[in-house]
Amino acid sequence: KNEVEQSPQNLTAQEGEFITINCSYSVGISALHWLQQHPGGGIVSLFMLSSGKKKHGRLIATINIQEKHSSLHITASHPRDSAVYICAVRSGGGADGLTFGKGTHLIIQP
Amino acid sequence: KAGVTQTPRYLIKTRGQQVTLSCSPISGHRSVSWYQQTPGQGLQFLFEYFSETQRNKGNFPGRFSGRQFSNSRSEMNVSTLELGDSALYLCASSRKTGATTGEQYFGPGTRLTVT
Repeated sequence: KNEVEQSPQNLTAQEGEFITINCSYSVGISALHWLQQHPGGGIVSLFMLSSGKKKHGRLIATINIQEKHSSLHITASHPRDSAVYICAVRSGGGADGLTFGKGTHLIIQP
Repeated sequence: KAGVTQTPRYLIKTRGQQVTLSCSPISGHRSVSWYQQTPGQGLQFLFEYFSETQRNKGNFPGRFSGRQFSNSRSEMNVSTLELGDSALYLCASSRKTGATTGEQYFGPGTRLTVT
């Protein structure tokens, strides 16, 4: 069973700061997902990675398969980025369902 | 293109009752996955359906079941409800399954309260 650890659990930062959220997993995976959840419950898929790096607007996600580690970066953070960010992995050659981290609760203060 | 829809959005049930939740995936998506989210356990995988077949199942008791119809719509059922079943139930759809699943698109969820 894959164990997914996220850090930090909580993060409060000032508007404009560069944000990094980390995710580590214990077993080889076929894909890693970064998800965003706003208050009220809606979940949005930000990235799906199996290698390398992806960028979308101010968000950047990287993954190091050898080290079993991924990072989500937010540049020029804004109060609207305040949300819970969740890392999830698919292992078992893709046959298993997603295993989720506990999430990182991010607050960006104006 | 319409997103993933779930009905009902809110539900209150009594212990011992059973409940059925519905999920309509994005048009063209054949895979539907169900997840349970609670404050204590976070998000947990329940099961995944693809082309009317259950592909895999998470570590939940047999009281939790589901099915998928030929139009890809899916339902999940929880029988003999317990207080601990109170949670947000989310479904997500994607085009494919397995290692090539790709991005998942989540519905708004059904918030179930068991009293």
